[in-house]
Amino acid sequence: AQRVTQPEKLLSVFKGAPVELKCNYSYSGSPELFWYVQYSRQRLQLLLRHISRESIKGFTADLNKGETSFHLKKPFAQEEDSAMYYCALSGNTGTASKLTFGTGTRLQVTL
Amino acid sequence: ETGVTQSPTHLIKTRGQQVTLRCSSQSGHNTVSWYQQALGQGPQFIFQYYREEENGRGNFPPRFSGLQFPNYSSELNVNALELDDSALYLCASSSSRVRSTDTQYFGPGTRLTVL
Repeated sequence: AQRVTQPEKLLSVFKGAPVELKCNYSYSGSPELFWYVQYSRQRLQLLLRHISRESIKGFTADLNKGETSFHLKKPFAQEEDSAMYYCALSGNTGTASKLTFGTGTRLQVTL
Repeated sequence: ETGVTQSPTHLIKTRGQQVTLRCSSQSGHNTVSWYQQALGQGPQFIFQYYREEENGRGNFPPRFSGLQFPNYSSELNVNALELDDSALYLCASSSSRVRSTDTQYFGPGTRLTVL
């Protein structure tokens, strides 16, 4: 079975402070991990995926297989980062590729 | 490039009724997945359709069923509605049914309320 855990429902930080959104996963195979973001009144959209090893909007995430974690980090939070963040794991159920999401963390960046 | 669209935006039904939700895939995508997002939860996988056939299913009862059409648009049907079916229903399209690295592009969702 595959599972994703995001332990924090809400993370509140000041503008300019570092951000770390935690994500732990459980999966027997080789995981493909993603971070999705939902800004206010917008649809769920991909932020980044571990296989690309990219930085998007200043965010990075490193897959740590030993700790089964994929935490999302940004050195300096901006107001526009306020949103709902979901960590997701992609695995196969039979022939289908499905996403398993965590419960999400709301990031609130205040002045 | 046309994004994923869903209709209707909102829907109110009563227990026992049936509902049909619709989704148009992003241009060029042949795979559609449906997710249920209850309040305060992350999306949960319902099923996936590829070339008009169900290609995989999550832990949802048979009263949740779907269709995919030759133009890759899709429907989610729910029979015998229960109060717990109240949720946001999301449709996502992708260009591959099995490559787990492929991005799924989400629609804005349909908010279903069951009274």
